[in-house]
Amino acid sequence: QVQLVESGGGVVQPGRSLRLSCAASGFTFTRYAIHWVRQAPGKGLEWVALIWYDGNDKYYADSVKGRFTISRDNSKNTVSLQMNSLRAEDTAVYYCAKLRGAVLWLGAFDVWGQGTMVTVSS
Amino acid sequence: DIQMTQSPSSLSASVGDRVTLTCQASQDINYYLNWYQQKPGKAPKLLIYDASNLETGVPSRFSGSASGTHFNFSISSLQPEDVATYYCQQYDNLPPTFGGGTKVEIK
Repeated sequence: QVQLVESGGGVVQPGRSLRLSCAASGFTFTRYAIHWVRQAPGKGLEWVALIWYDGNDKYYADSVKGRFTISRDNSKNTVSLQMNSLRAEDTAVYYCAKLRGAVLWLGAFDVWGQGTMVTVSS
Repeated sequence: DIQMTQSPSSLSASVGDRVTLTCQASQDINYYLNWYQQKPGKAPKLLIYDASNLETGVPSRFSGSASGTHFNFSISSLQPEDVATYYCQQYDNLPPTFGGGTKVEIK
C-alpha cells in the first residue's frame, strides 16, 4: 500500500545537526513532490519544506531557510531533510507527506508518514 | 503568508449532534482549501479537499462548503470516533498554511 516512513529523529543539542529521512513505497515516487510538515508539542501544524518531483526545485519556510536542506534520491525512493544549526523552537514531530495529485507543487496531503520526533535541548 | 483563522478553538457536543467548524482566509484562496482530522499521537488524515470534495473512504457525515474566503466543515451526526482536532489548510500560495485547529470533544 501507499506508505511514507520517517526516521532519524532524536535528541540533539542546540546548534547541532540532524538528518531526517522519508522512505516511500506503493506509488510512483518520481511523479510526486514531497513535503515536510512539523508539529511542536501541543501546537498546530507548520509547513517546513517541499521538493519537486525531479529534485530541481525546493522551497522552505522562512523559519528554516538557510538552516534546513531538502533533497531526494529517486533511485531509492527517499527524501531527506538535513537540519543544521538547530534551535529549541525546532523541537517538533516531523512528518513527510505526499500530495493527492501528481506533478503538482501544492494541493491536499493525502498520505502522511507516522512522524519522527526531534527534540533540541541541552 | 496567508493567515487561516479557525473557530471555535474547541467545542463539546453530544453524540448525534450536528457540528460546524469555520475557517477564514486572510485573502482569496480560490477555494484551495483542505480539511484534516488529527487524533492524539497520530498523523493528520485528509477528509475534504478543494473545499467540498470528500476524500475516498471518508464517511459521508463529513462535509465542507465555501463562500468567498469563509469555509465551513460539518459533521452531520457526531460520533465518538470523531473526537479529534480538525485543521484547515490553504494551498493557493506558497507557503501552504494551516489554521490553528478546532478540538472536538464529546459532551
